[in-house]
Amino acid sequence: AQSVTQLDSHVSVSEGTPVLLRCNYSSSYSPSLFWYVQHPNKGLQLLLKYTSAATLVKGINGFEAEFKKSETSFHLTKPSAHMSDAAEYFCVVSDHGPGTALIFGKGTTLSVSS
Amino acid sequence: EAGVAQSPRYKIIEKRQSVAFWCNPISGHATLYWYQQILGQGPKLLIQFQNNGVVDDSQLPKDRFSAERLKGVDSTLKIQPAKLEDSAVYLCASRGSGYNEQFFGPGTRLTVL
Repeated sequence: AQSVTQLDSHVSVSEGTPVLLRCNYSSSYSPSLFWYVQHPNKGLQLLLKYTSAATLVKGINGFEAEFKKSETSFHLTKPSAHMSDAAEYFCVVSDHGPGTALIFGKGTTLSVSS
Repeated sequence: EAGVAQSPRYKIIEKRQSVAFWCNPISGHATLYWYQQILGQGPKLLIQFQNNGVVDDSQLPKDRFSAERLKGVDSTLKIQPAKLEDSAVYLCASRGSGYNEQFFGPGTRLTVL
């Protein structure tokens, strides 16, 4: 069965410094992997997705993630944090191709200080 | 394009009462999902519909939860009777044909007292 582990429940950075949110996955098949962001009182928004194409995936708002099969990781990065990046971030896996339900990690809260 | 709509946005009930949530997916999206998100956790799938048929309801507590999507468009999720542990945000998502992302609604925050 597939699962996702987000290694940090809370990450704090200063504005303008790099962001790293770590995610490891477990999957019996070739997975599809996603990062979603959830701002307070807002719906979940897709940041980026990996679906067996390029291993380095670029998303919205300057975020990117690299799929590393040997390490079963899909870490999310951004070179320079903005205050508006403060939110909850979820790493998500889907095993069985398009249309199947998503398995969410427990989330990482990103705080950005000025 | 209009997003996924959900109502109500907030609901407070007492345990053993009943409650219903409504979801209107993006127009033309055949696949609809209901997720439960307990505070401090990621969303967990409750049920998945393809048009008006159930694809996966393996994690739906069927003794108290029910859902329907009679005409393959709107969907309702019902809890009867509610328990304290049902306090959560209930998210609806929809997906179009082909490999597209799931689009999430704003959710309904349920508090059971």
